[in-house]
Amino acid sequence: DIQMTQSPSSLSASVGDRVTITCQASQDISNYLNWYQQKPGKAPKLLIYDASNLETGVPSRFSGSGSGTDFTFTISSLQPEDIATYYCQQYDNLLEEITFGPGTKVDIK
Amino acid sequence: QVTLRESGPALVKPTQTLTLTCTFSGFSLSTSGMCVSWVRQPPGKALEWLALIDWDDDKYYSTSLKTRLTISKDTSKNQVVLTMTNMDPVDTATYYCARTNIVGAYFDYWGQGTLVTVSS
Repeated sequence: DIQMTQSPSSLSASVGDRVTITCQASQDISNYLNWYQQKPGKAPKLLIYDASNLETGVPSRFSGSGSGTDFTFTISSLQPEDIATYYCQQYDNLLEEITFGPGTKVDIK
Repeated sequence: QVTLRESGPALVKPTQTLTLTCTFSGFSLSTSGMCVSWVRQPPGKALEWLALIDWDDDKYYSTSLKTRLTISKDTSKNQVVLTMTNMDPVDTATYYCARTNIVGAYFDYWGQGTLVTVSS
């Protein structure tokens, strides 16, 4: 099984700060990595797919990078509406395994 | 526009079988590349993928739960059904259905979720 870790588990930052979240896979997953935002009481929302592709309609302050085992998600300038938990999600190309990371909770300082 | 909605019981007893229905609109599950998945989230915990069915009726299951899960589709009704047997209190969670793109296995549209509590 591929294990996903995210760090930090939570963070607190000021409006306008650059925020970075990392996601690490236990084995090479190429670029098979997606990122989601989940606000309290709401369904998750797709932000980034295939490690670095911005989903249509998602603000450009969100970005993703990485390949292999190490991935990064960045909010270039944190906004109040970005308060949420962020999850990475990996998949294998045979769809035998789809796994979410444990999440990173982002708060405003 | 694409919408999905989950329906099913809010409360089930331990050992019972849970049946959830996802009714969707705005896309067809007979279109090549289209899939629907089920994902759950226990209160305060992370997301967990459960199962996926594709346009060709191929089915994929979480390794840890595959013996308990069955996913099926009724293309004419735009519905996907998930059954989970032998329910346990640890299965208490919000269950989501989500449209899934086969290329990239990303969940691009989600239902609002339905909370299922397992308790006697």
